[in-house]
Amino acid sequence: NAGVMQNPRHLVRRRGQEARLRCSPMKGHSHVYWYRQLPEEGLKFMVYLQKENIIDESGMPKERFSAEFPKEGPSILRIQQVVRGDSAAYFCASSPDRGYEQYFGPGTRLTVT
Amino acid sequence: DQQVKQNSPSLSVQEGRISILNCDYTNSMFDYFLWYKKYPAEGPTFLISISSIKDKNEDGRFTVFLNKSAKHLSLHIVPSQPGDSAVYFCAASAGLTGGTSYGKLTFGQGTILTVHP
Repeated sequence: NAGVMQNPRHLVRRRGQEARLRCSPMKGHSHVYWYRQLPEEGLKFMVYLQKENIIDESGMPKERFSAEFPKEGPSILRIQQVVRGDSAAYFCASSPDRGYEQYFGPGTRLTVT
Repeated sequence: DQQVKQNSPSLSVQEGRISILNCDYTNSMFDYFLWYKKYPAEGPTFLISISSIKDKNEDGRFTVFLNKSAKHLSLHIVPSQPGDSAVYFCAASAGLTGGTSYGKLTFGQGTILTVHP
């Protein structure tokens, strides 16, 4: 039973480029969450999606960031025109339903040079 | 606005002894609490959870205690093992009455646990 998959594990982008982070939830899970961990900090919620719907995006910056979870395929977190402050570890989690424990992927470490 | 706080950045214990990690929260809407363990360069691993209708939940060496009146929870690990050395995060979620907050987790800053052989 495969866990949450994230790719790439490491991503290097120059300032101004676009970053695309992918997340495949655990089998049977239709709820996906994205979190960001800045250096020396805890994880901060960004967005919560269910298939084809954004349920809660209250933690996501209004500009440059977007997320989707299409009917088919992985969830995508997209960061346009990256800046140095976007350098962080981005974690995806999934759950079988709302309100249950969330299972995390290994994360994507984004470095903006 | 830090709604979930882990006031001890680090904890060091001897193998075989008890490890007690603490967590405080301020949002009275939180009614589901979780503990995660995290190794460097890996994602958090779910350990144990507790609903606000309980005051204790046990799973093997791990026990979580919840004191709702004090808005405090703790994780006890007995006996502690060197493999338990990791960062431990406390997290909280609001229930159905939390509106759109329901589902998302709010994390504390983490406590680094070191278990010495």
